[in-house]
Amino acid sequence: GESVGLHLPTLSVQEGDNSIINCAYSNSASDYFIWYKQESGKGPQFIIDIRSNMDKRQGQRVTVLLNKTVKHLSLQIAATQPGDSAVYFCAENRPWLDSSYKLIFGSGTRLLVRP
Amino acid sequence: DTGVSQDPRHKITKRGQNVTFRCDPISEHNRLYWYRQTLGQGPEFLTYFQNEAQLEKSRLLSDRFSAERPKGSFSTLEIQRTEQGDSAMYLCASSLAFGGQAYSYEQYFGPGTRLTVT
Repeated sequence: GESVGLHLPTLSVQEGDNSIINCAYSNSASDYFIWYKQESGKGPQFIIDIRSNMDKRQGQRVTVLLNKTVKHLSLQIAATQPGDSAVYFCAENRPWLDSSYKLIFGSGTRLLVRP
Repeated sequence: DTGVSQDPRHKITKRGQNVTFRCDPISEHNRLYWYRQTLGQGPEFLTYFQNEAQLEKSRLLSDRFSAERPKGSFSTLEIQRTEQGDSAMYLCASSLAFGGQAYSYEQYFGPGTRLTVT
């Protein structure tokens, strides 16, 4: 399959270990944040989201933490599996012109899971 | 499979030719978005529709680009006089926005159309 990104920051973890992927955002007025997973040759797939009035949200094997003080977002994946290997993007719902919002994506982190 | 489909999946064209891509969103979704993604980058917003109305266009969308959503269902993105710099993955996403809210949240992405301009 084709590669999504050739020069991305890469996180390599052992299968079964926990993974933590970090993201910094820029706009303190952003009110909603999403983590997407993108496998080679596919579009981004929604993983988990969090609103700005929360600091933690848990899903199945995934947890998102939001620190608004330092504008930092993290994605924690428990018991990482080979199927978790992909590029992970954070996205912020940022206020734009005329009271609209736009989804602004970060540059992504490649997660490699070692068997 | 998110329910959003795009066609074609791959397109190779010569510089100067016109190309058109199609996106079929999730049927009950009223918002449809187009993004462009280059290698190593996250998707960049191009434009979006609420039903058949095109509400916003990025400055990335030059005059050579045009998008339509004639019946508020599927959408097409046309690039005229393609340039090598247009080579990228073109992604479509859809979402459901309620009432008059200025924003909608969860967007579902299609698999994308990979354009290569030679």
